[in-house]
This record gives sequence, structure tokens and C-alpha cells, in this order.
Amino acid sequence: AQSVSQHNHHVILSEAASLELGCNYSYGGTVNLFWYVQYPGQHLQLLLKYFSGDPLVKGIKGFEAEFIKSKFSFNLRKPSVQWSDTAEYFCAVNAGQTGANNLFFGTGTRLTVIP
Amino acid sequence: NAGVTQTPKFQVLKTGQSMTLQCAQDMNHEYMSWYRQDPGMGLRLIHYSVGAGITDQGEVPNGYNVSRSTTEDFPLRLLSAAPSQTSVYFCASSYTPLQVNTGELFFGEGSRLTVL
Repeated sequence: AQSVSQHNHHVILSEAASLELGCNYSYGGTVNLFWYVQYPGQHLQLLLKYFSGDPLVKGIKGFEAEFIKSKFSFNLRKPSVQWSDTAEYFCAVNAGQTGANNLFFGTGTRLTVIP
Repeated sequence: NAGVTQTPKFQVLKTGQSMTLQCAQDMNHEYMSWYRQDPGMGLRLIHYSVGAGITDQGEVPNGYNVSRSTTEDFPLRLLSAAPSQTSVYFCASSYTPLQVNTGELFFGEGSRLTVL
């Protein structure tokens, strides 16, 4: 069965600090990888997605993620966080079956940025 | 453009009561799905539909029913609510397969359900 692991449950950073959130998945076939963000009281929004090609993916708001196939990882990074980045971040995996748009989510990482 | 609309946003039920969470999208998306979000467990797929008249079970379907009579609507029914169904429910939809570059799920704002 597919699973997605996010090892950091709650991360607290000061503004301007660098961010890296871990994500590992267990699935041996073709995968599409996603990072979604949920700001307080809002719905989930797509930050970025790995589809194919360049393993370094750039998303909105200065976020990026690197797909390392050999490590089954898709870590999210941002060089300098802002208070407005306070949110919950979810890593998700799609198994790549055409027409099957189901996502398997990790448990989420809550990020708190202190001004 | 309303996107994915869920109603109600909040609901309190007593054990054994039934109710329907509504989900509608105006983007002509074929694929729709329901997730529940619980603390420490992320989002888990309840049911999904790849088009009108077609539904299937996800990871945690027990206690929930769905139907898809139109492209726009995908209601989630709780026939006999239990405290274990206390959760935040999200409806999501997509047009493009997730396996292409532009594919993504669009989420509604969520429905918070409490079962006493």
C-alpha cells in the first residue's frame, strides 16, 4: 500500500530562517508528487508539483522541492520564510494511473513563523 | 467563478442522525472526491467519482454513501452518524488527469462536522 511520511509535525522558525520540510513516500512505480498548503481557516492550495523531467521544482511564493527518486523523497524548501508562511503543509502522492486522480496525503507539518 | 462549494460549513449532529454534505463545482470537472481531515492523520480519501453515474470507494468509505447524478454535484451522506465521524470534510475536483503537468485537485473550503 502507498504511504506518505512527513516526519516533522510542528516546525517553529523565525522570519528569514531557511525552511526544509521532509517528505518520503513508499511506492515503487511512477509517481506524481505534490505539496499543498493550508493557511489558517482556508482550503488547501497547490504549492507545487513534480510531474516529470527536472527533479527541482519551483512553485509559488518562493517555494521549491527536490525529487530524489533513489531516496523516495520530495522535500520542500524555502530560503527565507515570512510570517505569512505560517500554515500547514501537506505532501501528497498520486500513483500515476491515468484517470485515477486520487491523492495519498502525509499527516502534515504545521509551520509557525515568528516575526 | 465559484470553484468548489461545500455546504454546510459547520454542523452538529447527535449519534444516529443522518445528514448530507453538499458539494458542487462549476468548472465542468469530471473527477470529484471527498476527503476527511483528522488531527495527526492528514487527509484520507472517502469516496470518489470519475464522472456522472460512476462512484468508487477510497481508503475510509465505511459509514458514508455517495452518488453522482450530475457532473456538478457530489453529495456525501452519513446514514447514521457516529462520534468517530467527527472531522473536517473536504470535497475536491479536477478536470485534467494528475498525471499531466497541469493536473491538480481543487479543494472546497471544508465542512466541520461534530457528532455528539
